Order: sequence, then structure tokens, then C-alpha cells
Amino acid sequence: EAGVAQSPRYKIIEKRQSVAFWCNPISGHATLYWYQQILGQGPKLLIQFQNNGVVDDSQLPKDRFSAERLKGVDSTLKIQPAKLEDSAVYLCASSLDIGFEKLFFGSGTQLSVL
Amino acid sequence: DAKTTQPPSMDCAEGRAANLPCNHSTISGNEYVYWYRQIHSQGPQYIIHGLKNNETNEMASLIITEDRKSSTLILPHATLRDTAVYYCIVIYGNTPLVFGKGTRLSVIA
Repeated sequence: EAGVAQSPRYKIIEKRQSVAFWCNPISGHATLYWYQQILGQGPKLLIQFQNNGVVDDSQLPKDRFSAERLKGVDSTLKIQPAKLEDSAVYLCASSLDIGFEKLFFGSGTQLSVL
Repeated sequence: DAKTTQPPSMDCAEGRAANLPCNHSTISGNEYVYWYRQIHSQGPQYIIHGLKNNETNEMASLIITEDRKSSTLILPHATLRDTAVYYCIVIYGNTPLVFGKGTRLSVIA
């Protein structure tokens, strides 16, 4: 079974630049999550989608972060403009449905903001 | 905020059982205990979960105390590939996972 695909694997940008991350969840999974993991900490939820609708984006810094899941499959997370403190690993996860907390995670995108 | 307390690090000899404790003294009756692990440079991986009864699968066993205020994840025969950060998470229903800092398990040859 194919897992959660994320790209790119690594990204280096300068502060104030824009960046986008892409995620393809496991086929048939209705729920998709984006997490941010700063070095030395556990992952922190940014946004949760159910199909193409947002369930929870309370911790998403909406002044600079945006995410979409058009057609309820792939998802894109964007940062514009990036700050130094955005340096982190961005993890995408999917699950069969809400309430199924067995999440499958991708390997993440490691972002370095210089 | 995470509702659990875990030791920051533990060591275990290869081939021995690894017992990872988790305190969740404020757990409510309908909250589940989930365990995930994160191997270096990978995303977290689901291990096991339970409500009241002890659970076992091909990866590990989960022992939950009768008062449900603490639990232990048991890896019966730890290998070097089990070196990872282990997260104990308490959640209700369809609320998203909230990760703490977890326990860094080092399996030593």
C-alpha cells in the first residue's frame, strides 16, 4: 500500500520569501492533517481537513500560512512571507475518517529559513 | 497541551524488554491512550491504542492500570531499529492528536 507522499523533502529559503509544500494522502483517506515540528519538540497541529473542508485551523498563523485541499485529495501548505521561526519539519498525515486516530504520516518537508 | 507525562529518555539493552511508562492522571472515562513513535528523519508511526483493557499487537503491548491513571508500553524484545522517540497521547473521540515531547528510547547493542 502506498503511503503518504510529500514533496519536496528539503527546502532552503531566505526570510520573506514564499514556499509551498505538497501532500498526497493515502487513497481513500478522508481526513488530512498538516503538523509543524520544531527541532526537539513534538509535532504541532496546524490544520485538519475532512474531504475538502476545514475542520480545525485554530493554530494556523493565518497572516502568513494558508492551506487548501481542492477536490478532497491532494493538499498544499503555503507560507508567505516566511520568517526565521518557521524553520521546522512540516508533516502531512491522513486517516480513514474523523475519529480514526490511527494516522499515517509522510516523511515530512524540512524547511530552513535563512 | 499534552495531558501526559513521560520520562525524557530511557536506555534498553538489545533483546531485552523495553517498558515505557506514561502518566495520565487526569484522563477521563471516554479518553483513549494512543502510542506513536518517531524514528529519526521519519514521520510518527502508530503503534497501539487502548481504552481500559490491555492490548497487544504485532509491535507491542499496552498495559493500562485499573484506575487508568497510567500506562506502560512494552516492546518485548527491543532491537536497534526500535531506537526512536515514543509519544503517549490521550484523546477523546475525534479530537486531533496532541503530541508532547515523548520519551527518547535508545536501544544499546
